Amino acid sequence: AQSVTQPDIHITVSEGASLELRCNYSYGATPYLFWYVQSPGQGLQLLLKYFSGDTLVQGIKGFEAEFKRSQSSFNLRKPSVHWSDAAEYFCAVGAHTGGFKTIFGAGTRLFVKA
Amino acid sequence: GAGVSQSPSNKVTEKGKDVELRCDPISGHTALYWYRQSLGQGLEFLIYFQGNSAPDKSGLPSDRFSAERTGGSVSTLTIQRTQQEDSAVYLCASSLVGGSGGAYEQYFGPGTRLTVT
Repeated sequence: AQSVTQPDIHITVSEGASLELRCNYSYGATPYLFWYVQSPGQGLQLLLKYFSGDTLVQGIKGFEAEFKRSQSSFNLRKPSVHWSDAAEYFCAVGAHTGGFKTIFGAGTRLFVKA
Repeated sequence: GAGVSQSPSNKVTEKGKDVELRCDPISGHTALYWYRQSLGQGLEFLIYFQGNSAPDKSGLPSDRFSAERTGGSVSTLTIQRTQQEDSAVYLCASSLVGGSGGAYEQYFGPGTRLTVT
């Protein structure tokens, strides 16, 4: 069965520091992979996605993610975090199961300290 | 253009009552999804529509939950005989399906916060 694991429930980083949020997935075929962000009181917004091709994908707000098939990972990175990046981040995998649905991880809450 | 809209934004209901939650997807999006997000939890998949049909109902937590979609557009999620554990934010999303590129990217509505007292 498809699954997504985000090992870190919450992470705290200093403003200006680098960030890496971990995501591991389980899926039998080539996955469609996504990172979404949910800011306090806001809806979910797509940061970036991977379907095929270059395994390093660029997203909005300076985020990037790298697909590593051998590790079944799709970690999200940002070189310098801003206070406005404080939010909940969800990794997701798209799965075909007679139709199509997206399986979300439990999320990682990012706290940014001054 | 207009995004995904949901109504009501907040709903407080008494235990045992039925509730209906509405979702208006982005025009032209053939796929529509319902999720539930409980406090401090991730997104729990409930149901997916392709057009008016629901090929995957596996996520509905009980037979008190049902959903329909008419005209390939608006969808209604109905919860009968609500229980306190149904309290959550119910999110709707829509997407184009098929092809590559922008396909499968889901656009989310703001959600309906349901509180069962």
